[in-house]
Amino acid sequence: DIQMTQSPSTLSASVGDRVTITCRASQSISSWLAWYQQKPGKAPNLLIYKASSLESGVPSRFSGSGSGTEFTLTISSLQPDDFATYYCQQYNSYSWTFGQGTNVEIK
Amino acid sequence: QVQLQQSGPGLVKPSQTLSLTCAISGDSVSNNIAAWNWIRQSPSRGLEWLGRTYYRSNWYSDYAVSVKGRITINADTSKNQFSLQLNSVTPEDTAVYYCARDHDSLFQHWGQGTLVTVSP
Repeated sequence: DIQMTQSPSTLSASVGDRVTITCRASQSISSWLAWYQQKPGKAPNLLIYKASSLESGVPSRFSGSGSGTEFTLTISSLQPDDFATYYCQQYNSYSWTFGQGTNVEIK
Repeated sequence: QVQLQQSGPGLVKPSQTLSLTCAISGDSVSNNIAAWNWIRQSPSRGLEWLGRTYYRSNWYSDYAVSVKGRITINADTSKNQFSLQLNSVTPEDTAVYYCARDHDSLFQHWGQGTLVTVSP
């Protein structure tokens, strides 16, 4: 299986901050990477697919970039609703695997 | 609007079989562009994809290596639902289990999650 490693594990930030989360794959996955947001007690919610495509209904302050083995999720101006845990997922190679998550908490 | 409603017991004894069902509304389990997945989440293992079933003129299933040999995912077209069976469970199988619909390997619709505890 392809291993997905996110950094940092926890990120403390304030409303209005620009936030960047990194996801690295153990081998090239081209652009077959998705990002999800999860809030406590809820299922993950798809934000970004194919590394940089915004899912319908997701605010434009979220963006993704990267290809191959290194990817980033950026929130341009952190909003109160954005404090949550974020996961990357590769779908280049069955079986699909997720990163361990990045918890974005209030500073 | 696709909705997935999970049901099943929250407590299973070690060595027994974990069984969960996911009822689908707003879509058909026989949809030939979607797949129907089970994913679990635990503090120790994070988010772990377990397997899927899908219809492409015939029924197919794929399973994660970590649970292959213990897992079965089946579709029930008469009830428009799909199910998970995980045999010979241990405390390591304690997790929140989610069903999810994927299109092009993206999980766009999820069930509400079921906490399953494996304990005597």
